[in-house]
Formats: sequence, structure tokens, C-alpha cells
Amino acid sequence: DVVMTQIPLSLPVSLGDQVSISCRSSQSLVHSNGNTYLHWYLQKPGQSPKLLIYKLSNRFSGVPDRFSGSGSGTDFTLEISRVETEDLGVYFCSQSAHVPPTFGGGTKLEIK
Amino acid sequence: QVQLKQSGPGLVQPSQSLSITCTVSGFSLTNYGVHWVRQSPGKGLEWLGVIWSGGSSDYNAAFISRLSISKDNSKSQVFFKMNSLQADDTAIYFCARSLYYGYFDYWGRGTILTVSS
Repeated sequence: DVVMTQIPLSLPVSLGDQVSISCRSSQSLVHSNGNTYLHWYLQKPGQSPKLLIYKLSNRFSGVPDRFSGSGSGTDFTLEISRVETEDLGVYFCSQSAHVPPTFGGGTKLEIK
Repeated sequence: QVQLKQSGPGLVQPSQSLSITCTVSGFSLTNYGVHWVRQSPGKGLEWLGVIWSGGSSDYNAAFISRLSISKDNSKSQVFFKMNSLQADDTAIYFCARSLYYGYFDYWGRGTILTVSS
């Protein structure tokens, strides 16, 4: 199975900060169709994960433009330009280029 | 709007089975796949399996011997069953929608399962 590794595990921030969360995969996530099947989710306490970014850099419906995804091959980054209170929670990267789909261990975004 | 509502027991004894129903609305099961993912403190998020729009299923190899996913399109329901449960199956079980092996764009709220005698 493809192993997804996220850094850091915890990220203390101040509101208004710009932050980056890293994710690395053990295999390339570029599909033969040219798409990169790397996705980002945010999970708040007591809730299910919510899709933020799909296929590397596409924001899901309703996701603010302060969220952006980038990367290539096996190294990926989620950036939040100005952290707001509603952004706090655990961020997961996930891949679906290979079966089974797998998830990173999560990065907890919390107030400093 | 798209919704996935889960129902199922919260407590199961060791060696027994777990059955969860995911009832969907706002879309048709003939157009989307429904996946099952579980989350535990020790193992994080694990993909368990999927039933596709056409009715076929795929399973994580680690669970294939004790997992079954089926559906009733007319009732917009997906049925999840896992046998021979042990304590390390204690987790939150989610159903989630996707097209192909893509991203999971909508999730159920989760079924909290405890396996204990």
C-alpha cells in the first residue's frame, strides 16, 4: 500500500498566519491520464472529514480561496494564506492513484 | 442536497458481526460509488471497501475475508457487514461518496463502534 507521511503532526499558529502542511507519498501519485490523485481533507472534532482540495490543486465547492494545494510526483503541500478560527482542526492528505486509497496520519492545526 | 445517513449499533461483542446501513439522498446510487472508511486512534483512517454504481464491490485485501458491501438502489441504501469483530475493530465507521477511485466528496457522520464483552 502507498504510505502517506504528513509533516508536522502538530502546527501551532496565530490567527492571520500563512501556513504550509506537507505530505509525502511512497509512490508517485501521477495517473496515466496525467492527473495527480492527491486530495486534502479537514476534520473538526466530532465531525467527519470534509473535502478541501481534490486532484492536487482543485478547491471543492465552497472552500475559500485562502486554501491552495500544490506539488508533484511524491511531494505535496497545502497552504492556508490567512488562518481563521474555522480552519482549526486536523488536516489529512489522501491518495487514490493506487488501490487501496490511503491517508496520511494527519496534521493538527491549533492556536499557539 | 447530498446526504449520507448512517444507522447501526454502537456496541458489539467480540466474534460477532457489525451491520451498518448508509441511506443516501440528493444523488442516485446508480451514478456514484459508496465507500467505507474507518478511523481509530491507533491506525488512523483506513479504506475498507466500495460498492460501485454498477453493483460490483472491491475490498481492502486486509478485510476481504470478513467484509461484505451490498446495496438496494431503489431504497437508496448501502449495507455494510463485517464479521468476526475483535477489540482492534473498535473505530468510527464512515460511508462516503465518490466517482471511481477519486476523492470522497461527501461523508456520513460516522458510526461509533465499540467491540467489547
